[in-house]
Amino acid sequence: KNQVEQSPQSLIILEGKNCTLQCNYTVSPFSNLRWYKQDTGRGPVSLTIMTFSENTKSNGRYTATLDADTKQSSLHITASQLSDSASYICVVSPNDYKLSFGAGTTVTVRA
Amino acid sequence: DGGITQSPKYLFRKEGQNVTLSCEQNLNHDAMYWYRQDPGQGLRLIYYSQIVNDFQKGDIAEGYSVSREKKESFPLTVTSAQKNPTAFYLCASSIRLVGNEQFFGPGTRLTVL
Repeated sequence: KNQVEQSPQSLIILEGKNCTLQCNYTVSPFSNLRWYKQDTGRGPVSLTIMTFSENTKSNGRYTATLDADTKQSSLHITASQLSDSASYICVVSPNDYKLSFGAGTTVTVRA
Repeated sequence: DGGITQSPKYLFRKEGQNVTLSCEQNLNHDAMYWYRQDPGQGLRLIYYSQIVNDFQKGDIAEGYSVSREKKESFPLTVTSAQKNPTAFYLCASSIRLVGNEQFFGPGTRLTVL
């Protein structure tokens, strides 16, 4: 069964600090991996997408990495802001329409 | 929310009632999807539609029904047969079924009283 495991489940950081979220997956075959940001009570919004051959992808203060050999990805948030408080979801896509979603990491940024 | 609208934002239902959640997109996407989101779990696929007048069951279709009479619209009905319907429901669409980013609507939170 294709699975996506995210850690930690939640974390609290002070404004201005950095944090890193982890995603391990067993999805095969692998097409691409996305990180989504989901604000409370809203739909997910795509932050980054990486294919098999890409190791890193940045979107402003968000940087995602991918190690396709170990099937691990990370999302690094630099200089966190209050608006970064959200759930971050790792989504892995095989070669078809059925996406595999992680349960998400809830990030709380405090002033 | 990428041109996808869902209504209502909040919905309350009494046990034994059917309710219909609306999803409309103006992105000219062929494929549309319904997901259910529960705390501590990843999104789970309820139904998907590759094209107008066609739809297929996802992983958790029991107790749900859909229709796709128009390209823009993909309503979801939560029937009384769904034993645990309280959840956050997300609609998504993509250009085609395979190989394209799915864009999500803002969601509908359904609560059974």
